[in-house]
Amino acid sequence: SAVISQKPSRDICQRGTSLTIQCQVDSQVTMMFWYRQQPGQSLTLIATANQGSEATYESGFVIDKFPISRPNLTFSTLTVSNMSPEDSSIYLCSVESAGVGPDTQYFGPGTRLTVL
Amino acid sequence: AQKVTQAQTEISVVEKEDVTLDCVYETRDTTYYLFWYKQPPSGELVFLIRRNSFDEQNEISGRYSWNFQKSTSSFNFTITASQVVDSAVYFCALSEAGGYQKVTFGIGTKLQVIP
Repeated sequence: SAVISQKPSRDICQRGTSLTIQCQVDSQVTMMFWYRQQPGQSLTLIATANQGSEATYESGFVIDKFPISRPNLTFSTLTVSNMSPEDSSIYLCSVESAGVGPDTQYFGPGTRLTVL
Repeated sequence: AQKVTQAQTEISVVEKEDVTLDCVYETRDTTYYLFWYKQPPSGELVFLIRRNSFDEQNEISGRYSWNFQKSTSSFNFTITASQVVDSAVYFCALSEAGGYQKVTFGIGTKLQVIP
């Protein structure tokens, strides 16, 4: 299994500012992902954080708005840049745990972001 | 473009009843993955299953079972003898790229199990 922590757990920010969310995993994992869940909505994958190379962004998401770092196999950050109220969401970090047995995906507790 | 439809937005059942959550998908790819996730009222997201398009065998895990039918493009989820702890929003998802990328989620089905 994998235990994931995220910081901060929640924040209230002013429009135009940026927030960096940290994701720490208690074991080395190959695949790390960032998702967004807007209020009352379903989930959307933002990007895959790749260790040692640029993140892979899903359609509709760009590096300038959501820069991602992945300095090692246990840590990643997602920055929400130049925020607007539309960025108010829960941001979730996730990892794939692959090994003996079926592949499993684990999620962090989420970062609840409110942009005023 | 890929699409996932969860037509049931909310379902209520009485405890111990069986319940099936429907998921219908659209894709042009022959290789794809299907997922189910659970999000209890506490908010944490729980991965339930990932199934690739070449494996049409039904899956059973305790009280949970999944019925994958390519002929109808459906990947339905059944909870047997439901319990209050099953109350949650359940999301079905589809990935055309394989793995977890390029994934499309359904809007979710909110299940309420009444004691």
